[in-house]
Amino acid sequence: DSGVTQTPKHLITATGQRVTLRCSPRSGDLSVYWYQQSLDQGLQFLIQYYNGEERAKGNILERFSAQQFPDLHSELNLSSLELGDSALYFCASSVGGRTSTDTQYFGPGTRLTVL
Amino acid sequence: DQQVKQNSPSLSVQEGRISILNCDYTNSMFDYFLWYKKYPAEGPTFLISISSIKDKNEDGRFTVFLNKSAKHLSLHIVPSQPGDSAVYFCAASGRTDSWGKLQFGAGTQVVVTP
Repeated sequence: DSGVTQTPKHLITATGQRVTLRCSPRSGDLSVYWYQQSLDQGLQFLIQYYNGEERAKGNILERFSAQQFPDLHSELNLSSLELGDSALYFCASSVGGRTSTDTQYFGPGTRLTVL
Repeated sequence: DQQVKQNSPSLSVQEGRISILNCDYTNSMFDYFLWYKKYPAEGPTFLISISSIKDKNEDGRFTVFLNKSAKHLSLHIVPSQPGDSAVYFCAASGRTDSWGKLQFGAGTQVVVTP
């Protein structure tokens, strides 16, 4: 158990809908990262927050957004869902994230299925 | 643009023998490398890491070797155990990826047979 929690574990929805994925980091960790793992691709970095502020962006679609709240939990919002958004979404956390040597610990993931 | 490559999608090894997983990278700005293990229906689990100032890091049965000139790293698991059967991901981050963004390889499926 990494100490990172994600809810829900599974999510099935229809195209065009909007969903929210939730992540609670390990106790004491200030950084939260979101990654997407599709069937035909490896883990792709989406976005990072540090202590409530966005710090780095990867290949995140404009239909996706995220935020980190004062209690440090984070939510990833996916809207106007398409079939291709079906994937595993992982959240990771690290103590700082201000250097490249912070180890990231991953949650169990949310499996999103768009029908 | 795949900056971290794991060219072997799968590896089969006998229990008790050595497993060697390989990873190549193209970005010379990477300065921190990690290996993660992933079981089905679970998130990646951190295994071991190495900074670019070292060429070897050991933790129990796991050793990571870094060859900066070849832009290559490898993970050795000795001895291999059935519980090591999983997908192993190589990841890297660097000075240009401020705030610790990780680039992952595609993974290598390891099967340890009795």
